[in-house]
Amino acid sequence: GQQVMQIPQYQHVQEGEDFTTYCNSSTTLSNIQWYKQRPGGHPVFLIQLVKSGEVKKQKRLTFQFGEAKKNSSLHITATQTTDVGTYFCAGWRSSNTGKLIFGQGTTLQVKP
Amino acid sequence: DADVTQTPRNRITKTGKRIMLECSQTKGHDRMYWYRQDPGLGLRLIYYSFDVKDINKGEISDGYSVSRQAQAKFSLSLESAIPNQTALYFCAISGTSFLDEQFFGPGTRLTVL
Repeated sequence: GQQVMQIPQYQHVQEGEDFTTYCNSSTTLSNIQWYKQRPGGHPVFLIQLVKSGEVKKQKRLTFQFGEAKKNSSLHITATQTTDVGTYFCAGWRSSNTGKLIFGQGTTLQVKP
Repeated sequence: DADVTQTPRNRITKTGKRIMLECSQTKGHDRMYWYRQDPGLGLRLIYYSFDVKDINKGEISDGYSVSRQAQAKFSLSLESAIPNQTALYFCAISGTSFLDEQFFGPGTRLTVL
């Protein structure tokens, strides 16, 4: 079954509001990657976190990796209509030999 | 030109038909993957290959087969398509490190009637 859980599944926000999606793994992850899929498009890599407790920022996007390396979050400040899409987290399990495990994704809708 | 191409981009077929989806890449990466995307289920791994002679099952390989004809080509076959295989299929590639990002193709939308 799915080993990386992502919540919420859907989120509707008013433009300018903040947005957060959470990713939780049942096992320790070697790293966490975040991807964005625009409507009708394909997933595109955003960023990777490797270290315990790591925080990275890309403009209005803030990515965190938990201290236990089992959870991660993506926070968008002051959403814009260009943020619309589905955000996926994905991680390599420490004991895994080759498979990147994807979360179910969070679909963000932004109302102008 | 795109790094990863998929053909066809859209396909409608009937139950019981054999279907092949093709993936080609120009980045020279060794690792290739086939994923299936369904609403609410995210991206689920069907098969993956680390080089030409290596094929591995993913989490949902039943009903599917693959062929890695060359480093740059990885094909997915549905031997006898069924309606619950209607989905969006993505091919992806990556380098050999777990730190490498995956590059996705544009996807193939398959409908099985």
